Amino acid sequence: GQQLNQSPQSMFIQEGEDVSMNCTSSSIFNTWLWYKQDPGEGPVLLIALYKAGELTSNGRLTAQFGITRKDSFLNISASIPSDVGIYFCAGRSSGGSNYKLTFGKGTLLTVNP
Amino acid sequence: DGGITQSPKYLFRKEGQNVTLSCEQNLNHDAMYWYRQDPGQGLRLIYYSQIVNDFQKGDIAEGYSVSREKKESFPLTVTSAQKNPTAFYLCASDSNHQPQHFGDGTRLSIL
Repeated sequence: GQQLNQSPQSMFIQEGEDVSMNCTSSSIFNTWLWYKQDPGEGPVLLIALYKAGELTSNGRLTAQFGITRKDSFLNISASIPSDVGIYFCAGRSSGGSNYKLTFGKGTLLTVNP
Repeated sequence: DGGITQSPKYLFRKEGQNVTLSCEQNLNHDAMYWYRQDPGQGLRLIYYSQIVNDFQKGDIAEGYSVSREKKESFPLTVTSAQKNPTAFYLCASDSNHQPQHFGDGTRLSIL
């Protein structure tokens, strides 16, 4: 199946630093979603983006839907230890009856206190 | 609370045995999904269902089977034909124009 290119694969940062990760695709998406997964748990939705150019914030998290509709980024400001986890992007290429998502392979974030 | 419930949290399978993983949602979502997650490989789609009594194979359906007799339920059976079943299994659901939400997963191991 199709995969998104998510980068970086992993990040090691100090508490208080800002973080940026992104996803790119060769296909156009109508929806971009960002999830966080803690060890042994299911992914939790962080931000949903539905419109090209859309910039949405959720607390210290900000995500943008790229103008070309082929990319998205997620920024985390002033990181804290509980930000540790795997962050996934996901894209949906059409609405209607096709609900399938394409997932990136994830970015593993480690925050040193 | 509305959500997706997966059970059991941990499951062990003996060789030659079929096992069934449960997934129930009370979000009134039309579509449900099963994913397999292996370390470093992200999420791979096993099966999905967009409507009751209908389902489609995902990218790695071999060795698995599903049913969708009720809107709320989408059980996954890992059959003996699946030779490498050890993984973390995630169930999800959504509807058109709604984001996909996940359960807390079932970790399947081989005895």
